[in-house]
Order: sequence, then C-alpha cells, then structure tokens
Amino acid sequence: NAGVTQTPKFQVLKTGQSMTLQCAQDMNHEYMSWYRQDPGMGLRLIHYSVGAGITDQGEVPNGYNVSRSTTEDFPLRLLSAAPSQTSVYFCASSADMNTEAFFGQGTRLTVV
Amino acid sequence: QQQVKQSPQSLIVQKGGISIINCAYENTAFDYFPWYQQFPGKGPALLIAIRPDVSEKKEGRFTISFNKSAKQFSLHIMDSQPGDSATYFCAASWVSGGYQKVTFGTGTKLQVIP
Repeated sequence: NAGVTQTPKFQVLKTGQSMTLQCAQDMNHEYMSWYRQDPGMGLRLIHYSVGAGITDQGEVPNGYNVSRSTTEDFPLRLLSAAPSQTSVYFCASSADMNTEAFFGQGTRLTVV
Repeated sequence: QQQVKQSPQSLIVQKGGISIINCAYENTAFDYFPWYQQFPGKGPALLIAIRPDVSEKKEGRFTISFNKSAKQFSLHIMDSQPGDSATYFCAASWVSGGYQKVTFGTGTKLQVIP
C-alpha cells in the first residue's frame, strides 16, 4: 500500500528550465492537491483537483500548470523555473477535502 | 494572507510537560479543523481533527480544545516526549465555489528536551 508517491525527491533546475513533478496515489481518492512549503509560511495551496478532468487554482498558482487525466495521477508542471520557486513541494490526496489528507514525502526543488 | 493564524512559531518544552499550540481564525464558514504533525524530511500526517459542533476532542496524549465563539482552537500535548519533537500545523477547511478548500497555519516547531 504505497499511499501517495512523489518523484523525484530532489531536483536542481536552472532558471528558465521546465520540469514536471510527478504525484500518484493508489487510494482511489477524488481530491488531490499540490502545496509548497516555505520557512515561516506553512503550506500554501498551488492547485487542486476534485476529480479526473477537473482542476482549479489555489492561492499561489502563478508559474505552475496541472492536469488530471486519471484519478491516480496529478502532475505539477513548472513552465519556466524561477529562483522564487525554490521550495519543498508536497502532493496530497483525500477522499474529499473535509477528511484526512494523505501527503507524499515531498520534492525539494532548488532553482539556481 | 493567512486565514488561520498560528502561534507560537517555536516552542521548547521539558519532557513530561504540556505543549500548547494555538490557532485563531475569522472565517465562520470553516467546518473542519485538523492538526498535522510533520517530522523532518517527511510529509505532514494527520494527528487529530475536530468539527465545530464539539468543544474538545482527545486522542491519547493529544487534545484539541475548540472555542467557537472566540474563533480559536488549540492543541494540547500532555506528558510531552522527545519523540513529539516535530512541526505542527493547524488547518481549516470550508466550501468555496462548490468545493471544499483547506488552508494551513504557518506551523509550530516543537522541541521536547529530556
């Protein structure tokens, strides 16, 4: 029972490069979310999805794209990486938003 | 802007003592208040949660106290242990645009010293 799996665990990008952070869950959860965690700022919602084909913006969506073609997968794309996107990124899933969210182990991204 | 204000930012407690972390909110539409625990290098994990129709919930050494009129809720860790050393986040969820959303506090780094 893997839960929520994020890849990669660590990544270094150069400014302007693009990349995709992968997230997969095996709990058949409808809700999936992406957060970034920065010191002193807690967890901030980037994008979320309430089911396959349905996504919406969170509080810090600029510079990120998402899509949800299957229930299991919810990738996060950085279109043109900037140093301000240096952060730890967490993917989470839940049966709905009003119940327990299960988090992945995180991806530590550094943009130089 | 942070919809849930969490304090303190950091906390040092002696082993066996009581750790108290507080959160305050303004949005009366919030209807679910979870607390998450995060160890270094790991993702947050649900510790305990409460809904606004109860004033207290206890699970082992962890208790949430909820004051609806004051729009405050707090986490109490009784008999704190070094293994409780972690970062704790309060959170709140509500319905917006037909969907449930969640917002997190800024976190409290707890250190329990022997």
